[in-house]
Amino acid sequence: SQQGEEDPQALSIQEGENATMNCSYKTSINNLQWYRQNSGRGLVHLILIRSNEREKHSGRLRVTLDTSKKSSSLLITASRAADTASYFCATSGGAGGTSYGKLTFGQGTILTVHP
Amino acid sequence: EAGVVQSPRYKIIEKKQPVAFWCNPISGHNTLYWYLQNLGQGPELLIRYENEEAVDDSQLPKDRFSAERLKGVDSTLKIQPAELGDSAVYLCASSLGSHTDTQYFGPGTRLTVL
Repeated sequence: SQQGEEDPQALSIQEGENATMNCSYKTSINNLQWYRQNSGRGLVHLILIRSNEREKHSGRLRVTLDTSKKSSSLLITASRAADTASYFCATSGGAGGTSYGKLTFGQGTILTVHP
Repeated sequence: EAGVVQSPRYKIIEKKQPVAFWCNPISGHNTLYWYLQNLGQGPELLIRYENEEAVDDSQLPKDRFSAERLKGVDSTLKIQPAELGDSAVYLCASSLGSHTDTQYFGPGTRLTVL
């Protein structure tokens, strides 16, 4: 079963625009991670945010985490055609929960950036 | 540094045939994972190894799936016999330490069962 739900399922934007993807989850977490997957390829780790962190930046990426709402968002600024991919959030379960010890992925958001 | 290596990249078999996938994790990574990814879905964990011990195989369909990680390095995942519904991408990942660490994924093996 998949814990995370991503929104939107698909996003189409023009190069230079910002892209925002949201992820909601159900149980307590240790950390939340975002991955990118290009078509036909494996997943590439983008960023990890721990449960006691609220915001994290990496280059053009900004991730926020709201544990009270059990949600996270990934913002890609000044998008490029090369950012076209599927983006997945994944949660590492907190201690005592049924998801402890597992990295559970959402269904992903398909981002298309038009040149 | 070499990434996670998987082979084969693609495999087409007839139903009821056996199939095996191989994974070589990043050198020094103690934890190894096998995931199944259906089209349009996120990966789902099948089994997690810490060194040579399978510490979480609760999602592995044990009637037809088996896995091993000899000497705590390479791993193989086997399906016998394969069914039509097994068509998917099988991903291997590794991490340096615990499951909370960043996981590094291989390119996957795309299995088609006819």
